[in-house]
Amino acid sequence: GAGVSQSPSNKVTEKGKDVELRCDPISGHTALYWYRQSLGQGLEFLIYFQGNSAPDKSGLPSDRFSAERTGGSVSTLTIQRTQQEDSAVYLCASSLEASGQYFGPGTRLTVT
Amino acid sequence: RKEVEQDPGPFNVPEGATVAFNCTYSNSASQSFFWYRQDCRKEPKLLMSVYSSGNEDGRFTAQLNRASQYISLLIRDSKLSDSATYLCVVDSGGYQKVTFGIGTKLQVIP
Repeated sequence: GAGVSQSPSNKVTEKGKDVELRCDPISGHTALYWYRQSLGQGLEFLIYFQGNSAPDKSGLPSDRFSAERTGGSVSTLTIQRTQQEDSAVYLCASSLEASGQYFGPGTRLTVT
Repeated sequence: RKEVEQDPGPFNVPEGATVAFNCTYSNSASQSFFWYRQDCRKEPKLLMSVYSSGNEDGRFTAQLNRASQYISLLIRDSKLSDSATYLCVVDSGGYQKVTFGIGTKLQVIP
């Protein structure tokens, strides 16, 4: 079946602009995660959604970052007033509870 | 102490060699463990779950040692295509606390 999809695959934006990144999880997966990864670095956890529970936002680096998940399916990560240090690959993953995560191909964000 | 620790490597091994990676974790209440593989500029892919009794998938063997709080991944008869970064993942369950290690880089040399 279809895996996790993300769009856009690449995004170049000017400093100060807002961006929206989209994630379509695997159908039926209750958990959805956002991470970011800078070149040559490990994964940095951003936010986690589980079913209808309040999301775990503990990883969001600043209040410029927000995310929502509508109808327990599609999720959007929004970065307001982008800064150059926001440049990274943003990865989305989904899973069934207590099982391994399946990642999308990521969105490569470049802030100029 | 970091929640999940891995030796970043790189581990350079010849084709056909056996190589093992360890990953230590700090939360004794951790419940689920996984190994992922990440190729350069690609997303991580689930390689295998790690069960208490240990598990094997072809040339790959994963083991869990709860007493010493580490998991291991053994790769036998290394292939060039095994070259990648191997990520250790620990799930502490409950309201979900999944932690990724920084990864161990493996380079298999002809």
